Amino acid sequence: DAGVIQSPRHEVTEMGQEVTLRCKPISGHNSLFWYRQTMMRGLELLIYFNNNVPIDDSGMPEDRFSAKMPNASFSTLKIQPSEPRDSAVYFCASTRTQGDQPQHFGDGTRLSIL
Amino acid sequence: GQQVMQIPQYQHVQEGEDFTTYCNSSTTLSNIQWYKQRPGGHPVFLIQLVKSGEVKKQKRLTFQFGEAKKNSSLHITATQTTDVGTYFCRSTGGGNKLTFGTGTQLKVEL
Repeated sequence: DAGVIQSPRHEVTEMGQEVTLRCKPISGHNSLFWYRQTMMRGLELLIYFNNNVPIDDSGMPEDRFSAKMPNASFSTLKIQPSEPRDSAVYFCASTRTQGDQPQHFGDGTRLSIL
Repeated sequence: GQQVMQIPQYQHVQEGEDFTTYCNSSTTLSNIQWYKQRPGGHPVFLIQLVKSGEVKKQKRLTFQFGEAKKNSSLHITATQTTDVGTYFCRSTGGGNKLTFGTGTQLKVEL
């Protein structure tokens, strides 16, 4: 079975540019999570969706960040405009149901903002 | 709010030595999950504990959930170089917010 698929794997761009990260959850999983990982702050939950509806976006750092889930098989995390402090590894994870089910992570997107 | 702390933050051991990481919470946890992240990789689910005082084993790994359900530990017996990585706990607390711990980075030297 295919796991969680994220793209791109790596992104290097200049500050001020728009960045779009993509995620395809495991088929049949109803919940999708976006995380950001840095050395300073560890693994931070940014937002999560259940049945394509955003449930908790309290971790989204500011208005420059937005996330959408137009259907059960696709989600995007967008940063506009990007800043150097946004440099991090961004992970997407999915679970079969909402709540405390084990999470399946994608390989992540390594984002560098110059 | 709920905070899940892990200690130690880093641990260097010689191959063959044992290793333990602890996850502590100020509130009672509904359950706890443990994940391993290899360098350059993504977190991978290891196990979930639900019951007070529960103990589970996976080969050289032993997982425990405290009697009060406020702490948990992961113990590795006779570490190997393949154990290198960062170990995270993840839990739901009284507020039902799912939180990852701060992680313990394990390095194993030959």
